[in-house]
Amino acid sequence: RKEVEQDPGPFNVPEGATVAFNCTYSNSASQSFFWYRQDCRKEPKLLMSVYSSGNEDGRFTAQLNRASQYISLLIRDSKLSDSATYLCVVSSGGSYIPTFGRGTSLIVHP
Amino acid sequence: DTGVSQNPRHKITKRGQNVTFRCDPISEHNRLYWYRQTLGQGPEFLTYFQNEAQLEKSRLLSDRFSAERPKGSFSTLEIQRTEQGDSAMYLCASSPPGQEETQYFGPGTRLLVL
Repeated sequence: RKEVEQDPGPFNVPEGATVAFNCTYSNSASQSFFWYRQDCRKEPKLLMSVYSSGNEDGRFTAQLNRASQYISLLIRDSKLSDSATYLCVVSSGGSYIPTFGRGTSLIVHP
Repeated sequence: DTGVSQNPRHKITKRGQNVTFRCDPISEHNRLYWYRQTLGQGPEFLTYFQNEAQLEKSRLLSDRFSAERPKGSFSTLEIQRTEQGDSAMYLCASSPPGQEETQYFGPGTRLLVL
């Protein structure tokens, strides 16, 4: 079983739709969780951290479920510019060595 | 805007040759990471430095891979005796003191081994 697993998609949604991605992790000692966004042929960029209490940034909401060992990302009112690959990142311990999932591809169409 | 820079951006080499990539992190970022990314996969951690100290190198893919950060500023990643399977994007990232989780990635070096 991979350390971090994501459904690769693609998720193909119309503008304005709400879409949710899940990511599962295998190491119960994981402490830090993040979502990164990667545009085609570009470098990854931090989208948001994921906290135990959940957190929201505009149209984006991230949640953590430690008991079931998954994190989620919800995107409301999808925009064309949201089309990208969303990478789930998990880190264990204090040294912060991140493990990336393979990413979930999102395509938002008019 | 002086973000993370990487050189070269593209490298084509023949199998068996050695290649070296350079990464210049954001100024005053003390942590520097190297990753490899292949098509359809997320970045795969290779190694990282805190200042000039290489704190984790067990995940370098083989003994053909080595990295240095001699003065705690720029870093180099060398691949000796390249193989076709080494073809990938090599990404560098840096993070500021106290914010290790906030990684800023460079544009990457795309390697093609013929």
